[in-house]
Amino acid sequence: AQRVTQPEKLLSVFKGAPVELKCNYSYSGSPELFWYVQYSRQRLQLLLRHISRESIKGFTADLNKGETSFHLKKPFAQEEDSAMYYCALRTGGNQFYFGTGTSLTVIP
Amino acid sequence: NAGVTQTPKFQVLKTGQSMTLQCAQDMNHNSMYWYRQDPGMGLRLIYYSASEGTTDKGEVPNGYNVSRLNKREFSLRLESAAPSQTSVYFCASSEGGGSTDTQYFGPGTRLTVL
Repeated sequence: AQRVTQPEKLLSVFKGAPVELKCNYSYSGSPELFWYVQYSRQRLQLLLRHISRESIKGFTADLNKGETSFHLKKPFAQEEDSAMYYCALRTGGNQFYFGTGTSLTVIP
Repeated sequence: NAGVTQTPKFQVLKTGQSMTLQCAQDMNHNSMYWYRQDPGMGLRLIYYSASEGTTDKGEVPNGYNVSRLNKREFSLRLESAAPSQTSVYFCASSEGGGSTDTQYFGPGTRLTVL
Protein backbone atom coordinates (compact mmCIF):
# COMPACT_ATOMS: atom_id res chain seq x y z
CA ALA A 1 0.00 0.00 0.00
CA GLN A 2 1.37 3.35 -0.95
CA ARG A 3 2.00 5.33 2.16
CA VAL A 4 3.18 8.61 0.70
CA THR A 5 1.54 10.33 -2.24
CA GLN A 6 2.92 13.25 -4.16
CA PRO A 7 0.29 13.97 -6.79
CA GLU A 8 2.39 16.29 -8.95
CA LYS A 9 5.25 14.83 -10.94
CA LEU A 10 6.11 18.19 -12.45
CA LEU A 11 5.50 21.69 -11.15
CA SER A 12 6.51 24.95 -12.77
CA VAL A 13 6.22 28.37 -11.19
CA PHE A 14 7.58 31.79 -12.01
CA LYS A 15 10.31 33.35 -9.95
CA GLY A 16 8.81 35.28 -7.08
CA ALA A 17 5.55 33.34 -7.13
CA PRO A 18 4.41 31.18 -4.22
CA VAL A 19 5.00 27.48 -4.47
CA GLU A 20 3.31 24.54 -2.78
CA LEU A 21 4.38 20.94 -3.21
CA LYS A 22 1.74 18.54 -2.02
CA CYS A 23 2.29 15.46 0.10
CA ASN A 24 -0.30 13.16 1.64
CA TYR A 25 0.44 10.15 3.77
CA SER A 26 -1.27 7.07 5.09
CA TYR A 27 -0.19 5.73 8.46
CA SER A 28 -2.15 4.62 11.49
CA GLY A 29 0.56 5.44 14.01
CA SER A 30 2.24 8.67 14.94
CA PRO A 31 3.97 9.87 11.76
CA GLU A 32 7.35 11.44 11.34
CA LEU A 33 7.53 13.33 8.08
CA PHE A 34 10.38 14.78 6.10
CA TRP A 35 11.09 16.64 2.91
CA TYR A 36 14.21 15.67 0.98
CA VAL A 37 15.62 17.58 -1.99
CA GLN A 38 17.93 16.61 -4.80
CA TYR A 39 19.50 19.45 -6.75
CA SER A 40 20.96 18.80 -10.16
CA ARG A 41 24.12 16.65 -9.92
CA GLN A 42 23.96 16.61 -6.13
CA ARG A 43 23.03 13.98 -3.62
CA LEU A 44 19.67 13.60 -2.03
CA GLN A 45 19.64 15.64 1.19
CA LEU A 46 17.29 16.46 4.00
CA LEU A 47 15.46 19.76 3.58
CA LEU A 48 13.33 19.77 6.69
CA ARG A 49 11.47 17.57 9.15
CA HIS A 50 8.10 18.21 10.71
CA ILE A 51 9.27 17.66 14.26
CA SER A 52 11.60 20.62 14.10
CA ARG A 53 8.98 23.04 12.83
CA GLU A 54 11.78 24.89 11.09
CA SER A 55 12.09 27.04 8.00
CA ILE A 56 14.91 26.06 5.70
CA LYS A 57 15.80 28.15 2.65
CA GLY A 58 12.44 29.85 3.08
CA PHE A 59 10.51 26.57 2.93
CA THR A 60 8.08 25.48 5.60
CA ALA A 61 5.86 22.46 5.98
CA ASP A 62 3.08 21.88 8.47
CA LEU A 63 1.83 18.49 9.47
CA ASN A 64 -1.95 18.35 9.23
CA LYS A 65 -3.04 15.13 10.88
CA GLY A 66 -6.69 15.70 10.05
CA GLU A 67 -5.96 15.88 6.35
CA THR A 68 -2.93 13.55 6.61
CA SER A 69 -0.90 16.07 4.68
CA PHE A 70 2.55 17.61 4.90
CA HIS A 71 2.66 20.15 2.10
CA LEU A 72 5.85 22.09 1.41
CA LYS A 73 5.46 25.83 0.90
CA LYS A 74 7.53 28.84 0.02
CA PRO A 75 6.08 32.31 -0.43
CA PHE A 76 8.52 33.50 -3.11
CA ALA A 77 10.20 30.93 -5.34
CA GLN A 78 13.78 31.42 -6.44
CA GLU A 79 15.57 29.92 -9.44
CA GLU A 80 17.88 27.97 -7.14
CA ASP A 81 14.84 26.14 -5.76
CA SER A 82 14.57 24.16 -9.00
CA ALA A 83 15.13 20.56 -7.93
CA MET A 84 13.48 17.24 -7.26
CA TYR A 85 11.59 17.12 -3.98
CA TYR A 86 10.64 13.97 -2.10
CA CYS A 87 8.29 13.65 0.83
CA ALA A 88 9.16 10.82 3.21
CA LEU A 89 7.40 9.08 6.07
CA ARG A 90 9.22 7.31 8.84
CA THR A 91 7.36 4.58 10.69
CA GLY A 92 8.47 2.53 13.64
CA GLY A 93 11.75 0.64 13.39
CA ASN A 94 13.51 2.98 11.01
CA GLN A 95 11.32 2.15 8.04
CA PHE A 96 11.18 5.01 5.57
CA TYR A 97 8.66 5.42 2.77
CA PHE A 98 9.30 7.96 0.06
CA GLY A 99 6.88 9.53 -2.34
CA THR A 100 7.47 9.45 -6.07
CA GLY A 101 8.85 12.97 -6.08
CA THR A 102 7.94 16.31 -7.61
CA SER A 103 10.24 18.03 -10.06
CA LEU A 104 10.05 21.77 -9.43
CA THR A 105 11.11 24.22 -12.10
CA VAL A 106 11.28 27.92 -11.29
CA ILE A 107 11.00 29.98 -14.43
CA PRO A 108 13.08 33.18 -14.46
CA ASN B 1 35.38 13.42 5.37
CA ALA B 2 33.81 11.67 2.36
CA GLY B 3 30.43 10.98 3.97
CA VAL B 4 28.76 8.02 2.26
CA THR B 5 30.61 6.38 -0.60
CA GLN B 6 29.33 3.74 -3.00
CA THR B 7 31.09 1.50 -5.47
CA PRO B 8 30.77 0.96 -8.32
CA LYS B 9 29.12 4.02 -9.90
CA PHE B 10 27.88 2.05 -12.90
CA GLN B 11 27.47 -1.65 -13.60
CA VAL B 12 26.02 -3.76 -16.39
CA LEU B 13 25.16 -7.38 -15.66
CA LYS B 14 23.69 -10.22 -17.60
CA THR B 15 20.66 -12.04 -16.25
CA GLY B 16 21.76 -14.60 -13.68
CA GLN B 17 25.04 -12.97 -12.79
CA SER B 18 25.79 -11.97 -9.24
CA MET B 19 27.37 -8.88 -7.81
CA THR B 20 27.84 -6.95 -4.60
CA LEU B 21 27.29 -3.23 -4.20
CA GLN B 22 29.52 -1.69 -1.61
CA CYS B 23 28.71 1.17 0.74
CA ALA B 24 30.84 2.79 3.40
CA GLN B 25 30.37 5.77 5.70
CA ASP B 26 32.90 7.66 7.78
CA MET B 27 30.50 9.51 10.06
CA ASN B 28 30.40 6.84 12.78
CA HIS B 29 26.71 6.33 12.11
CA ASN B 30 24.83 3.45 13.64
CA SER B 31 22.18 2.95 10.98
CA MET B 32 22.59 2.23 7.29
CA TYR B 33 20.08 1.74 4.49
CA TRP B 34 19.79 0.50 0.93
CA TYR B 35 17.21 1.97 -1.43
CA ARG B 36 16.35 1.51 -5.05
CA GLN B 37 14.99 4.28 -7.22
CA ASP B 38 12.88 3.53 -10.24
CA PRO B 39 11.13 5.96 -12.58
CA GLY B 40 7.73 6.86 -11.20
CA MET B 41 8.29 4.85 -8.02
CA GLY B 42 10.37 7.11 -5.86
CA LEU B 43 12.83 5.53 -3.45
CA ARG B 44 11.95 2.19 -1.94
CA LEU B 45 13.73 0.72 1.04
CA ILE B 46 15.32 -2.67 0.34
CA TYR B 47 17.06 -3.42 3.64
CA TYR B 48 18.31 -1.48 6.57
CA SER B 49 20.62 -2.02 9.48
CA ALA B 50 19.66 -0.20 12.64
CA SER B 51 22.99 -0.98 14.25
CA GLU B 52 26.08 -3.06 13.70
CA GLY B 53 25.17 -6.72 13.69
CA THR B 54 21.50 -6.27 12.80
CA THR B 55 19.67 -6.15 9.49
CA ASP B 56 15.99 -5.90 8.67
CA LYS B 57 13.90 -6.15 5.55
CA GLY B 58 12.44 -3.06 4.03
CA GLU B 59 9.67 -2.67 1.53
CA VAL B 60 11.24 -4.60 -1.39
CA PRO B 61 13.79 -7.16 -0.09
CA ASN B 62 13.15 -10.02 -2.52
CA GLY B 63 16.17 -10.91 -4.64
CA TYR B 64 18.64 -9.16 -2.37
CA ASN B 65 20.84 -9.96 0.58
CA VAL B 66 22.80 -7.60 2.79
CA SER B 67 25.75 -7.76 5.11
CA ARG B 68 26.64 -5.25 7.77
CA LEU B 69 30.32 -6.04 7.73
CA ASN B 70 31.21 -3.60 10.47
CA LYS B 71 30.00 -0.22 11.63
CA ARG B 72 31.30 1.49 8.50
CA GLU B 73 30.27 -0.89 5.75
CA PHE B 74 26.95 -2.21 4.49
CA SER B 75 26.91 -4.26 1.30
CA LEU B 76 24.03 -5.28 -0.94
CA ARG B 77 24.26 -8.52 -2.90
CA LEU B 78 22.32 -9.67 -5.91
CA GLU B 79 22.76 -13.44 -6.12
CA SER B 80 21.10 -13.92 -9.49
CA ALA B 81 20.38 -10.64 -11.20
CA ALA B 82 17.13 -10.13 -13.09
CA PRO B 83 16.13 -7.36 -15.51
CA SER B 84 13.59 -6.18 -12.91
CA GLN B 85 16.54 -5.21 -10.73
CA THR B 86 17.68 -2.60 -13.22
CA SER B 87 17.61 0.52 -11.10
CA VAL B 88 19.61 3.19 -9.34
CA TYR B 89 20.69 2.05 -5.90
CA PHE B 90 21.31 4.45 -3.06
CA CYS B 91 22.96 3.79 0.24
CA ALA B 92 22.30 6.05 3.20
CA SER B 93 23.39 6.29 6.80
CA SER B 94 22.16 8.03 9.93
CA GLU B 95 23.02 8.25 13.58
CA GLY B 96 20.03 6.05 14.27
CA GLY B 97 16.86 6.63 16.20
CA GLY B 98 15.38 9.78 17.56
CA SER B 99 13.06 12.22 15.93
CA THR B 100 15.93 14.40 14.72
CA ASP B 101 17.71 11.56 12.93
CA THR B 102 18.95 12.61 9.48
CA GLN B 103 19.81 10.30 6.62
CA TYR B 104 22.86 11.08 4.51
CA PHE B 105 22.86 9.62 1.04
CA GLY B 106 25.56 8.29 -1.22
CA PRO B 107 25.89 9.24 -4.89
CA GLY B 108 24.14 6.12 -6.16
CA THR B 109 25.00 3.10 -8.31
CA ARG B 110 23.32 2.77 -11.69
CA LEU B 111 22.77 -0.92 -12.41
CA THR B 112 21.55 -2.35 -15.69
CA VAL B 113 20.63 -6.02 -16.00
CA LEU B 114 20.36 -7.28 -19.56
